[in-house]
Amino acid sequence: DAGVTQSPTHLIKTRGQQVTLRCSPKSGHDTVSWYQQALGQGPQFIFQYYEEEERQRGNFPDRFSGHQFPNYSSELNVNALLLGDSALYLCASSFASEQYFGPGTRLTVT
Amino acid sequence: AQSVSQHNHHVILSEAASLELGCNYSYGGTVNLFWYVQYPGQHLQLLLKYFSGDPLVKGIKGFEAEFIKSKFSFNLRKPSVQWSDTAEYFCAVGVQNNNDMRFGAGTRLTVKP
Repeated sequence: DAGVTQSPTHLIKTRGQQVTLRCSPKSGHDTVSWYQQALGQGPQFIFQYYEEEERQRGNFPDRFSGHQFPNYSSELNVNALLLGDSALYLCASSFASEQYFGPGTRLTVT
Repeated sequence: AQSVSQHNHHVILSEAASLELGCNYSYGGTVNLFWYVQYPGQHLQLLLKYFSGDPLVKGIKGFEAEFIKSKFSFNLRKPSVQWSDTAEYFCAVGVQNNNDMRFGAGTRLTVKP
């Protein structure tokens, strides 16, 4: 059984561009959460998706948006990229309570 | 403000030393508590969790944590660390039925052989 998978592994973008990150949850999981982990920091909660709806959102601007598909996979979109958006973006899936994390996508904005 | 605080940024121990990593949170209401570990080059893995019941919880690899409600603390302990415990450790609080997980900044543990 594959765990949580994320793509791509690494990504380099330029300021002002838009980016889409993808996540496939662990089998049997219906909830996907996204986190941003800056270097030397703990993960910060962006938002959570359940039944294709955003259920909860952290303190991130509207430039950060997401989507969940009927197969429970999810995308994170970031518009108008800033240098400060450079970070590791983590996806976590869950069913009920415990969250399982993927390996992350390393985004570098130049 | 709601927050999760980990007191130690970097801890260096010799093998067989005892470990205690501090974690305090400031959320009111019912919370669930977690410790995650991130080994070098690997993704976050759950060490242990507390939802209710016995405040002393045991996790994988000999780790345990104690929930002290009056102190809003959930400290991680291990009686005797090994070189393989070298990793980053994160305390996390789940609020609103874990729909919103808040992490501390992490503690880097280095165990010298």
